[in-house]
Amino acid sequence: GAVVSQHPSRVICKSGTSVKIECRSLDFQATTMFWYRQFPKQSLMLMATSNEGSKATYEQGVEKDKFLINHASLTLSTLTVTSAHPEDSSFYICSARDKGLAGGLTDTQYFGPGTRLTVL
Amino acid sequence: DAKTTQPNSMESNEEEPVHLPCNHSTISGTDYIHWYRQLPSQGPEYVIHGLTSNVNNRMASLAIAEDRKSSTLILHRATLRDAAVYYCILRGYNQGGKLIFGQGTELSVKP
Repeated sequence: GAVVSQHPSRVICKSGTSVKIECRSLDFQATTMFWYRQFPKQSLMLMATSNEGSKATYEQGVEKDKFLINHASLTLSTLTVTSAHPEDSSFYICSARDKGLAGGLTDTQYFGPGTRLTVL
Repeated sequence: DAKTTQPNSMESNEEEPVHLPCNHSTISGTDYIHWYRQLPSQGPEYVIHGLTSNVNNRMASLAIAEDRKSSTLILHRATLRDAAVYYCILRGYNQGGKLIFGQGTELSVKP
């Protein structure tokens, strides 16, 4: 099956620093990748949609200058949390749509294993 | 976006069938019903999807009501590894492929 990886799996940083999270589709090309955030005991919240070669589309209430998304290739998207603060501590998850299947409503989204960010 | 309603939690015994309900009374004619599950501390994984007819795959079955206002995910023999949060999600043409997660049902499986 299709595999999506995330790196790092866990990161601890000091308040005010920036953290970059990578999302890679390992065995397929992803036209579109999505970024989610999940707080403990809560559901996933969609943050943004990332299309290869174009600017990301952010969901309402998500600060685009704080959460920088780059989708430079069909297999890699990055999320940079700039000037991180303790309230940004969360589980960040990416997902990817297979380029070959994208465009319909039946394609499967493949999720990464998540990155746990802790800001001290 | 059409919404779904699921029970917050359910319990099952190992090796018994589990029926996880989902209500989606405002579903539109072109919305697909997708189910994903999330094991503890992992990203979600695809389970099954359908439009009108019942569907079966190696993981589960999906039973869709005739009026499509509800559906049921069926795990035929629950195992301890099936303990997860199960999400019922509607996907429509106006969503750009996005998956909008609701609260889901936390399934616990007792040995």
